[in-house]
Amino acid sequence: QQQVKQSPQSLIVQKGGISIINCAYENTAFDYFPWYQQFPGKGPALLIAIRPDVSEKKEGRFTISFNKSAKQFSLHIMDSQPGDSATYFCAAYNTNAGKSTFGDGTTLTVKP
Amino acid sequence: ETGVTQSPTHLIKTRGQQVTLRCSSQSGHNTVSWYQQALGQGPQFIFQYYREEENGRGNFPPRFSGLQFPNYSSELNVNALELDDSALYLCASSLGVTATNEKLFFGSGTQLSVL
Repeated sequence: QQQVKQSPQSLIVQKGGISIINCAYENTAFDYFPWYQQFPGKGPALLIAIRPDVSEKKEGRFTISFNKSAKQFSLHIMDSQPGDSATYFCAAYNTNAGKSTFGDGTTLTVKP
Repeated sequence: ETGVTQSPTHLIKTRGQQVTLRCSSQSGHNTVSWYQQALGQGPQFIFQYYREEENGRGNFPPRFSGLQFPNYSSELNVNALELDDSALYLCASSLGVTATNEKLFFGSGTQLSVL
């Protein structure tokens, strides 16, 4: 049973455009929702995160939108740049279980 | 860079062999988690160690085992390797087992190929 579903699998955006990646979760025990960015040959790096008591969080060009009732959250990358080309993973953390569950990732390509 | 280092970076083994992967956690972090990342998939939780004790385990068989040392470095051992064990193995350190454990700092991983 996949607890965190991520879409799309791949995304191509023109430079300056908006990239949107969506995730849905099932377990209401999740209480922290991070996004990780992974470049080839590297481990995932924490990009931005949100808690379920907040509907939106913005850090620079990156914004998380969170819909608790729908159990969905999304990452928006504004003014996308070629350097943003990477694989993005959403995750959901359960404090009681002490572990993060990851989506399957979205490969973003930003074309110049 | 996160300060989490893993060794070796690449490893080739044959089916049935045993392998040990190593991880040095970020300074000040006392919790280490291991993840398996198959090609094209997200990281899958293997287990976590806190103060040298296993503190949670994912859906992996007992042939996956680990250790954490007093300096908080860690090892992942896999016995009786199978072809499906081929993956990137990621170590992640974090600050504690409660609220501060949510932020994971990953190493660059060990790419294991089982032939």
